Amino acid sequence: KAGVTQTPRYLIKTRGQQVTLSCSPISGHRSVSWYQQTPGQGLQFLFEYFSETQRNKGNFPGRFSGRQFSNSRSEMNVSTLELGDSALYLCASSLRQGTETQYFGPGTRLLVL
Amino acid sequence: QQQVKQSPQSLIVQKGGIPIINCAYENTAFDYFPWYQQFPGKGPALLIAIRPDVSEKKEGRFTISFNKSAKQFSLHIMDSQPGDSATYFCAASTGFQKLVFGTGTRLLVSP
Repeated sequence: KAGVTQTPRYLIKTRGQQVTLSCSPISGHRSVSWYQQTPGQGLQFLFEYFSETQRNKGNFPGRFSGRQFSNSRSEMNVSTLELGDSALYLCASSLRQGTETQYFGPGTRLLVL
Repeated sequence: QQQVKQSPQSLIVQKGGIPIINCAYENTAFDYFPWYQQFPGKGPALLIAIRPDVSEKKEGRFTISFNKSAKQFSLHIMDSQPGDSATYFCAASTGFQKLVFGTGTRLLVSP
């Protein structure tokens, strides 16, 4: 079974631009969560989607948004990029919502110049 | 109260040694405690997880010890190998999928 895939793997943007990252969960998994990883703040929860609905949200500004499609694939969008948004963005999938094992993808490394 | 405190920040052991990484939490609503291993350039990979009704869990060379009254849990790596050199994260959640991670421990196992 293929693991979680994320595209693109690397991205360079400039301040003020927006970016969309994509995540394909493991086949059959319906819950997708997004995390931001930085050296300073570590791994922080962004949001979780299940059945195309956002079920949980972390403490990030409204510039960070996401969505989930009927095939469970998910995208996250960051608008008006800031230098501090440079990070590794990780997507994790699990079979269903709740306390379940989360399987992480390799991440998208975003650099904002 | 949502924090998970992890120590040490870094750890060096010799091959065959038993590194121990500790985590502490405040939120008694946490009911799921996984440990993740992350290699450079990769996403975190689940190693082992425990729930509060169990005091110890072993999977291969990895053991979690859980002390509910002290609100602490730890990871022990038996017979550590150079291939175990990675960053280890503890985490906790309340059943709503939101994992709260510790700050990570960079482990180096010298040959």
